[in-house]
Amino acid sequence: QVQLKESGPGLVQPSQTLSLTCTVSGFSLTSNSVHWVRQPPGKGLEWVGAIWSGGSTDYNSALKSRLSISRDTSKSQVFLKMNSLQTEDTAIYFCTANWGYWGQGVMVTVSS
Amino acid sequence: DTVLTQSPALAVSPGERVTISCRASESVSTLMHWYQQKPGQQPTLLIYLASNLESGVPARFSGSGSGTDFTLTIDPVEADDTATYYCQQSWNDPFTFGSGTKLEIK
Repeated sequence: QVQLKESGPGLVQPSQTLSLTCTVSGFSLTSNSVHWVRQPPGKGLEWVGAIWSGGSTDYNSALKSRLSISRDTSKSQVFLKMNSLQTEDTAIYFCTANWGYWGQGVMVTVSS
Repeated sequence: DTVLTQSPALAVSPGERVTISCRASESVSTLMHWYQQKPGQQPTLLIYLASNLESGVPARFSGSGSGTDFTLTIDPVEADDTATYYCQQSWNDPFTFGSGTKLEIK
């Protein structure tokens, strides 16, 4: 069955770079899009960006200058890198395949 | 960015019909989707492309609308429907979510 699992550091220092991995199974990255969505504690959902089946990417314009999404199809993994982290980036980060399948999310706290 | 406006909260009794609205600041055609999120869980897709029921979702859920005005209907409501409901558009870049409607079952 389709599964997605996010992984990465739970704590990141301000101004540092966040690196997250979404490991997928049960479907091909070359046939499906994967999006990243984040949710600050107690708040709503925010679209971060996407990598499409063909490998092209789209980013939220508010984050674009700090953001990179890539993938390794041989390992069925999608990567998110965001630099210059601030406390406002503290959130649960989810990856989702075509919006219908979601990972459980990974909590990222930006704090010194 | 396309702003999606939702009522913050609703309270209904089991067995009633509830409608949750979502108004877009500009047209999103029918590229509107609805999610349910329970505390501590990831969102789950209920309705895609405004009116299509996601596989496995009970037929008590339905969606309608186009352009700027959309509605999610639950009929009849059950106790397990207690959750926050989000609309999301994928017509305009960047994709955006509504702020969520918290549904309480009395």
